[in-house]
Amino acid sequence: NAGVTQTPKFRILKIGQSMTLQCTQDMNHNYMYWYRQDPGMGLKLIYYSVGAGITDKGEVPNGYNVSRSTTEDFPLRLELAAPSQTSVYFCASSHGGRDSYEQYFGPGTRLTVT
Amino acid sequence: GDSVTQMEGPVTLSEEAFLTINCTYTATGYPSLFWYVQYPGEGLQLLLKATKADDKGSNKGFEATYRKETTSFHLEKGSVQVSDSAVYFCALGNMYSGGGADGLTFGKGTHLIIQP
Repeated sequence: NAGVTQTPKFRILKIGQSMTLQCTQDMNHNYMYWYRQDPGMGLKLIYYSVGAGITDKGEVPNGYNVSRSTTEDFPLRLELAAPSQTSVYFCASSHGGRDSYEQYFGPGTRLTVT
Repeated sequence: GDSVTQMEGPVTLSEEAFLTINCTYTATGYPSLFWYVQYPGEGLQLLLKATKADDKGSNKGFEATYRKETTSFHLEKGSVQVSDSAVYFCALGNMYSGGGADGLTFGKGTHLIIQP
């Protein structure tokens, strides 16, 4: 099993550009999450999904969009990149239910917006 | 809302030293508590967990006990190794926090450096 994979590993965007961060898991997990990690800070939840076709906002959703058309994939879309979105982005997945907090993380995408 | 506070780093120790990383939390209801570890260049990995008061989680020589009376979940290891160098995150999951979010609430992380 590859677990949770994320692409790209690194990306530099100009202000106003758009991009999609890809996330795929091969563990047949129902729940998937997107977090951002700012320097010296803990992770903050952006969006999450409890199954294909179902998504919901987390703590810091502004400036982002998500979709979940399949169990495996959970892409994160940045429409108009801003310097405040410079961060490391982590995708995670879990079985859900009582095991929803045992999350498996991808290696992260380091995004810089200039 | 829920919050997690953990000791600031970096924490630098010599190999075979005793490790304690403090973690306290604020939450309504009965959260589950976790320690995650992040090795350089990698994503977070679950290290150990405890789901109710007085539970002790343990893994790879690390231990933490869920203390409801002091709202704490301190991480300990009796003898650290260079390979334990990483960032350690205390986190909680709380189905009682409302708002519908199902993610974890993380502390800021503690960078641990073990010197040979």
